[in-house]
Amino acid sequence: DVQLLESGGGLVQPGGSLRLSCAASGLVFTNYGMSWVRQAPGKGLEWVSVISGGGDSTFYAGSVKGRFTISRDNSKNTLYLQMNSLRAEDTAVYYCAKGEGGSGYSSMNVWGQGTTVTVSS
Amino acid sequence: DIVMTQSPDSLAVSLGERATINCKSSQSVLYSSNNKNYLGWYQQKPGQPPKLLIYWASTRESGVPDRFSGSGSGTDFTLTISSLQAEDVAVYYCQQYYSIPFTFGPGTKVDIK
Repeated sequence: DVQLLESGGGLVQPGGSLRLSCAASGLVFTNYGMSWVRQAPGKGLEWVSVISGGGDSTFYAGSVKGRFTISRDNSKNTLYLQMNSLRAEDTAVYYCAKGEGGSGYSSMNVWGQGTTVTVSS
Repeated sequence: DIVMTQSPDSLAVSLGERATINCKSSQSVLYSSNNKNYLGWYQQKPGQPPKLLIYWASTRESGVPDRFSGSGSGTDFTLTISSLQAEDVAVYYCQQYYSIPFTFGPGTKVDIK
């Protein structure tokens, strides 16, 4: 079974930084695009970023572009999200999700349990 | 950006009855070169991550009960639960993956009447 396990969430002050990780198992990691999706408390789902299987293509939502960086280490089967200049509105549960193809232009068929990021002073 | 809308915001259906959720995109998500609609449906139960139900607008994900079906093309899509079960109480989201940024609809909450 494919499993995704996020870590790295926590409480951070506005303007601070945090790096999320997502450890994947049970798959040939490099074959799949991976995404980050977040959900603010009591709100709907918001797509954040996607990276292709090889790591050569990355895309971002406008709300995080220039502040967040997605990356992956295929030798470690791990996805990352570096979050800088954090704002209160970035407070959310962050999910990593596996795409159904290598490009990232696909639905997301496996999701982690999520890690909570709280931005507050 | 492609804006996704859903209707209704919520609905309550009796056990065994049909539930229908509509999703509309602000522009077509049909890719002409492969004739595929880049549209997925997800189910999210309280305290759980989303679960993929339907992809390419009408293909059921492995393991998803056949009471769930997706239809539509271009800009108008429907998720149908043919016979609502107690375990189907959840929020349902549509999502387009045709163009960046991928966008979700606001969600439809399904309850038992």
